[in-house]
Amino acid sequence: EDKVVQSPLSLVVHEGDTVTLNCSYEVTNFRSLLWYKQEKKAPTFLFMLTSSGIEKKSGRLSSILDKKELSSILNITATQTGDSAIYLCAVYGGRSNYQLIWGAGTKLIIKP
Amino acid sequence: EADIYQTPRYLVIGTGKKITLECSQTMGHDKMYWYQQDPGMELHLIHYSYGVNSTEKGDLSSESTVSRIRTEHFPLTLESARPSHTSQYLCASSEGSEQYFGPGTRLTVT
Repeated sequence: EDKVVQSPLSLVVHEGDTVTLNCSYEVTNFRSLLWYKQEKKAPTFLFMLTSSGIEKKSGRLSSILDKKELSSILNITATQTGDSAIYLCAVYGGRSNYQLIWGAGTKLIIKP
Repeated sequence: EADIYQTPRYLVIGTGKKITLECSQTMGHDKMYWYQQDPGMELHLIHYSYGVNSTEKGDLSSESTVSRIRTEHFPLTLESARPSHTSQYLCASSEGSEQYFGPGTRLTVT
């Protein structure tokens, strides 16, 4: 069965700390891995990683895909209270070309 | 401005009622999706569509139905609401791999 597992489930740090969130997957026909940020309502897109683009960076956020280890990490440096959210990892693959397989998310809380 | 809309945003309804959750997108995307998400849990795909007049059930067993008569519109209908349907329902659309989400409908069935 295809699955995506994120760790830790929750994390509390202080403003200014650096955090690393993990995503591991066992998905047939892997195509790409996506990271989303979910605050109060809808998830918003952060990064997409594929075999041809295994590292992405945007400001204080960066992500790396390790296809050998079937995993990805999301790094956030110099965290701010606005980074508090649930971070979701999802993988395109499996039986369908159109479905994302989602992890349960990591709930990140940044204390001032 | 291209966007994806869901109505209503909140709905409290009694058991046995028929309800339709609306989803519309202005981006011209062929693919659209309905997800169910309980607090602190992962998103579960309940229906998807890859174009007009095509719909498929997702991995989560659902008593809902969908239709795709127009590209921009993908409504979800529950024929007879039950307390077990209480959840957040998220609609999304995509052209490539990235999915864009609507604001969600928080449904409570009493």
